[in-house]
Amino acid sequence: SAVISQKPSRDICQRGTSLTIQCQVDSQVTMMFWYRQQPGQSLTLIATANQGSEATYESGFVIDKFPISRPNLTFSTLTVSNMSPEDSSIYLCSAGGGDTGELFFGEGSRLTVL
Amino acid sequence: AQTVTQSQPEMSVQEAETVTLSCTYDTSESDYYLFWYKQPPSRQMILVIRQEAYKQQNATENRFSVNFQKAAKSFSLKISDSQLGDAAMYFCAYRSWGAQKLVFGQGTRLTINP
Repeated sequence: SAVISQKPSRDICQRGTSLTIQCQVDSQVTMMFWYRQQPGQSLTLIATANQGSEATYESGFVIDKFPISRPNLTFSTLTVSNMSPEDSSIYLCSAGGGDTGELFFGEGSRLTVL
Repeated sequence: AQTVTQSQPEMSVQEAETVTLSCTYDTSESDYYLFWYKQPPSRQMILVIRQEAYKQQNATENRFSVNFQKAAKSFSLKISDSQLGDAAMYFCAYRSWGAQKLVFGQGTRLTINP
């Protein structure tokens, strides 16, 4: 299994600002994933964070809005840029469990944009 | 692309009784994983149960079991002897055999009545 820590746990941000969310895994993992969960909704994949290369973004998500870093096999950051109230969501970091197939998740970062 | 559908936005059950949550999915692949995750108010995504598509036997984890019907592309979750701590959002998820990212259904909110 993997233990994933995220910070901040929650934050209230002003429109037009940017916020970086950090994700730390307690073991080396090949791929890390960033999901968004809008209020009352399911989880939508933003991008896959690849170590040593650029992140792979899903349809509807772009690097300028959600830049991602992956400096090593245990750490990643997601930045939400130029925030608007529509960006108010929970952002979850996850990483793979290898042969078991499951993903492990952090506790999420709840962002509120005013 | 694969899709996952949970047709029950909300379910409720009396404590100690049994409840079944429905999930269907669409895929052209023959090998894949299916999961049920639980998300309590704490936001932490917790794996409930996992099923590999090549296994005919339905997975069981204590009070949780699945009814996996591969031909019908159905993957329901049965919770026996429901407990107050089972109250949460439940998400059905699909993972391709060769990938690590998960595709989630819309979720079912389960309420346990004392």
